[in-house]
Amino acid sequence: AQKVTQAQTEISVVEKEDVTLDCVYETRDTTYYLFWYKQPPSGELVFLIRRNSFDEQNEISGRYSWNFQKSTSSFNFTITASQVVDSAVYFCALSEANTGNQFYFGTGTSLTVIP
Amino acid sequence: GAVVSQHPSRVICKSGTSVKIECRSLDFQATTMFWYRQFPKQSLMLMATSNEGSKATYEQGVEKDKFLINHASLTLSTLTVTSAHPEDSSFYICSASDSLGYEQYFGPGTRLTVT
Repeated sequence: AQKVTQAQTEISVVEKEDVTLDCVYETRDTTYYLFWYKQPPSGELVFLIRRNSFDEQNEISGRYSWNFQKSTSSFNFTITASQVVDSAVYFCALSEANTGNQFYFGTGTSLTVIP
Repeated sequence: GAVVSQHPSRVICKSGTSVKIECRSLDFQATTMFWYRQFPKQSLMLMATSNEGSKATYEQGVEKDKFLINHASLTLSTLTVTSAHPEDSSFYICSASDSLGYEQYFGPGTRLTVT
């Protein structure tokens, strides 16, 4: 079974629109970590955020915000006022304490911001 | 902190030759290193996990004799693709985690093209 599901394969938005990237995860561990990474065309993964399972507070960092809901096993990512530079593939990942902190990546969401 | 480098960033080799990719943790001791492969428009696929001084653990379907992994020190792991074929052309990404283990720090990736 897929541990991390990113149902949106590709999204296109017009610059300045808000966009939410969905991430649903599956785990039986009580201790786990959730991550978001950005992968621009260069290929290098850019770390965006880490959340542990005991911290459900939402987080805002500039135009980025994250909504962690354990009740729905979701960790969604919103970009406000999108910009062309936000165009990239975004990956959600899960790390479980009981599996040696192996990362489980979602299939990624390719975001295109149209000027 | 927590910088991981990879060398080379790009390599082109002829079919049948071997190529070595280095992964270094620059400012921390990497207890565990991971090697991933990413085909175009796909997610990262874990190939193997290595602990310093131990044999690597390979994921199902990954040929250990073809993808030789050496983790000889706490700051260096190498992946050697032996007898490379065009189907081995891919983006290879390493990551490293420290003794705390819950986070992986990713290298910038190596793009391998086998002609």
